[in-house]
Amino acid sequence: DTAVSQTPKYLVTQMGNDKSIKCEQNLGHDTMYWYKQDSKKFLKIMFSYNNKELIINETVPNRFSPKSPDKAHLNLHINSLELGDSAVYFCASSEGGYSLGYTFGSGTRLTVV
Amino acid sequence: GESVGLHLPTLSVQEGDNSIINCAYSNSASDYFIWYKQESGKGPQFIIDIRSNMDKRQGQRVTVLLNKTVKHLSLQIAATQPGDSAVYFCAEDRDSSYKLIFGSGTRLLVRP
Repeated sequence: DTAVSQTPKYLVTQMGNDKSIKCEQNLGHDTMYWYKQDSKKFLKIMFSYNNKELIINETVPNRFSPKSPDKAHLNLHINSLELGDSAVYFCASSEGGYSLGYTFGSGTRLTVV
Repeated sequence: GESVGLHLPTLSVQEGDNSIINCAYSNSASDYFIWYKQESGKGPQFIIDIRSNMDKRQGQRVTVLLNKTVKHLSLQIAATQPGDSAVYFCAEDRDSSYKLIFGSGTRLLVRP
C-alpha cells in the first residue's frame, strides 16, 4: 500500500492551461504539504495544511490553489500555467507540526510547453 | 535569510569505502535535522534524524553527526554500496514550524 500517492506521475501541458495534481495519504497524518523541486534539485515548500486548514503559504503565486477536502487529501490546482512552473511537485504528510514521520509521495513531473 | 546546505556537489566513492556527506545550516533555532535520500524518479526517503540535544546518532550503516557550534551536519555511510547512489538532502525543522527547510543536496556516485 502506497503511503502517500500522487496522480498523475507525469503531466505535459501547454502554457495557459489549467491543471490539477491530486494527493492522498493513508497514514492518518494530520498535516500535508506541497513541495516544488526545480531542475537543480532544490526542494522548497509551497503549502502546508493541518486538518484541512491552510497554515503555510510560502509566497506562491495565486495561480496555485491548494484544496484539502479532508485531512487525507491535498490537491494542487494551477491556473494559467507558465513555462517556469515546469518542475517536480511532491506531496508529503507528517504527524502534526513537527516533522515526525515526514513521508513524501513519488512526485509529479510537470512540463509546460 | 534561512539556508541549509550547499549547491549540489557530487561525491564519487569506491564501492566498499565510507562516504561522508556534509551540510551547513544557518538557523540556530533549528532543533531537529533529517537526512533524506532521493533516488532517480522517486520522492525523498527518510534515512536518519537527530535532535539538537544530541551530537551523534547511529543507524544501520549510517551515522549522523551534529555540531551545533559551527552549525554543521554530516552523514556518514559505511561500506558504501551501489544502491546508495542517489541525491542526499539534509533538512532542518523547528518545533511546530509545519515545514522542513531543505539543503540543495549532494549527489553520491558509487564506483564499482
